[in-house]
Amino acid sequence: LAKTTQPISMDSYEGQEVNITCSHNNIATNDYITWYQQFPSQGPRFIIQGYKTKVTNEVASLFIPADRKSSTLSLPRVSLSDTAVYYCLVGDQTNAGKSTFGDGTTLTVKP
Amino acid sequence: GAVVSQHPSWVICKSGTSVKIECRSLDFQATTMFWYRQFPKQSLMLMATSNEGSKATYEQGVEKDKFLINHASLTLSTLTVTSAHPEDSSFYICSATRDRQTYGYTFGSGTRLTVV
Repeated sequence: LAKTTQPISMDSYEGQEVNITCSHNNIATNDYITWYQQFPSQGPRFIIQGYKTKVTNEVASLFIPADRKSSTLSLPRVSLSDTAVYYCLVGDQTNAGKSTFGDGTTLTVKP
Repeated sequence: GAVVSQHPSWVICKSGTSVKIECRSLDFQATTMFWYRQFPKQSLMLMATSNEGSKATYEQGVEKDKFLINHASLTLSTLTVTSAHPEDSSFYICSATRDRQTYGYTFGSGTRLTVV
C-alpha cells in the first residue's frame, strides 16, 4: 500500500482558502486518491476522490498532477466548523481494497 | 447514498468480560467490511478485513483470538472484544463501501470502548 505524507497541522482563518498537500510517491497505477474528514469521536467522512487532474464537488476540489505523486485538497472559504483532521488515502479501485490511514493533517480554523 | 450504522456508540465494561460491536450497511450490501482502532490523538489503525461467509483477515500484530470478527450476512459484521482489559480501551470504527469509485469508503460513527 502506498504510504502518504501530510503536514501534521495547519492553521487558517475563516473565509480563507485552505490547501492541504499529500505526498504519495509510491502510488500504483490502479490507485485512487481519497480524502476524508474526521471530527473528534466520529468516524471519518468521505470528502472527495480522484484519479488524475482535477475533481470538484460541492465541498472541495482535488488537484492531482500528471505524475500523481502528490495531491492537494482545496477547501474554499473555510469556516470554524471545518476544524478537523483531514486524511489522504491511496488505495486500489476494487471495492475490496483496504485503505491505510496516514497521520492526517489537523486543520484549525480561527475566527 | 451509502450509510453504515455502528452500535453501540459507547460502552463501558468490566475487565475480563467480552463486548460485541455491530456494524451494519443500511442501504447496500457489503461483502467486505473493515475494522479500525483509534487511540486518542492518533490515526486510525486497520485491524482486520471482514469477509462475508469466510474468515476475517487480520493485520499483523492483531490477535485474532481476542478480536473475533463475524460477517454472517451481507449487511452485518460484528467485532467481539474478548476478555477485555483496560489497554483495549479505544475508539473502534468500521467501514464498508457501496461503490468505491463513487462513494469511497463509508465509515460508521464509531464505538468508544472503556474497560474498567
